[in-house]
Amino acid sequence: DQQVKQNSPSLSVQEGRISILNCDYTNSMFDYFLWYKKYPAEGPTFLISISSIKDKNEDGRFTVFLNKSAKHLSLHIVPSQPGDSAVYFCAARAQKLVFGQGTRLTINP
Amino acid sequence: NAGVMQNPRHLVRRRGQEARLRCSPMKGHSHVYWYRQLPEEGLKFMVYLQKENIIDESGMPKERFSAEFPKEGPSILRIQQVVRGDSAAYFCASSPGQGFSGANVLTFGAGSRLTVL
Repeated sequence: DQQVKQNSPSLSVQEGRISILNCDYTNSMFDYFLWYKKYPAEGPTFLISISSIKDKNEDGRFTVFLNKSAKHLSLHIVPSQPGDSAVYFCAARAQKLVFGQGTRLTINP
Repeated sequence: NAGVMQNPRHLVRRRGQEARLRCSPMKGHSHVYWYRQLPEEGLKFMVYLQKENIIDESGMPKERFSAEFPKEGPSILRIQQVVRGDSAAYFCASSPGQGFSGANVLTFGAGSRLTVL
């Protein structure tokens, strides 16, 4: 039972443009959502989070949007930079932290 | 301030052998979590521990897998009689606060990659 889904395994974006990564969830009990970024041979590192009582959280080039009625969240990166190339995991929290499958983002120069 | 330290980074075992993975949490963190990432999949929760206590082991396979976090020393994830399907990256995370609550963010180690021949 995949409670958190990232339906796009990969995404390719031109440097300087906006990257939009999407995530859907099924459990309405999730109260906190997080995005983690992972480089090869490293562990996931925390990027940005949002509480379920908010619909937007911004931190520099990164913005997370939450649409509770649609059970959907997205991560916007603008402008995209080559160093943003990584795998991005969406995670949601109820009794435990549940991760999506990840989206591999490639930023092309 | 070192982050979450995992060792070994790479471990090769033959079928039937035992694998032991170690995790030292960040300084000041008393909560440890183990996740497993199978090829082409996301991270799957395995177990959540505090010192000398298993808080939630709902993600642990019923057989061959065990975890501990003793009063002294690192947390250990132990896999007995390994099979090829155990080949995966095993990530440990730690946090200062209680489990999955508040704005508690998990800090992950670099992972231990287990290969079963």
